[in-house]
Amino acid sequence: QKEVEQNSGPLSVPEGAIASLNCTYSDRGSQSFFWYRQYSGKSPELIMFIYSNGDKEDGRFTAQLNKASQYVSLLIRDSQPSDSATYLCAVISGGDDKIIFGKGTRLHILP
Amino acid sequence: DTGVSQDPRHKITKRGQNVTFRCDPISEHNRLYWYRQTLGQGPEFLTYFQNEAQLEKSRLLSDRFSAERPKGSFSTLEIQRTEQGDSAMYLCASSLASLTDTQYFGPGTRLTVL
Repeated sequence: QKEVEQNSGPLSVPEGAIASLNCTYSDRGSQSFFWYRQYSGKSPELIMFIYSNGDKEDGRFTAQLNKASQYVSLLIRDSQPSDSATYLCAVISGGDDKIIFGKGTRLHILP
Repeated sequence: DTGVSQDPRHKITKRGQNVTFRCDPISEHNRLYWYRQTLGQGPEFLTYFQNEAQLEKSRLLSDRFSAERPKGSFSTLEIQRTEQGDSAMYLCASSLASLTDTQYFGPGTRLTVL
């Protein structure tokens, strides 16, 4: 069973600080990785896509991928109350033509 | 609003009844996905279409579930003989052509089976 693991949280971070969200995956053959944000009662929306080892930055968001450690993370700089949401890590596993989601980490930005 | 619509938004049914949900994707999108999400869980893949062809179906999906995408446009998901365990949010998403293209999710259909 291919798995994507996330700490369910909640993760509480003061406004203006860096929020760090982590995800591990079981399938070493995984090639593509996503971070989705889901507000309460809403559908997921894609915020980052990464497939190469290293960092990828987009505005206040940085995704970090380490395939050797089977680890992907999301950093949110200058956290805002509007960043309070559940963040879902998702992976395209090798040999599968589908995306596997983790359970998500609830992030709470403290004003 | 992502441009993906789903109908109905809420459905309450009694155990044993059949239900059908509809998804209208973004018009130029070739791929259409169905997911199921329960409280505290991430979306769980059910099936997907490339145009009108159903290319992958989750092994977790029982024979009570069926999906169609006639003419490669809208899609329907039918659940026969509903069970209480089917209560969930059913999400539809569409993307341009491949799994790495951004998937845009609809608002979902919340199913409650009494």
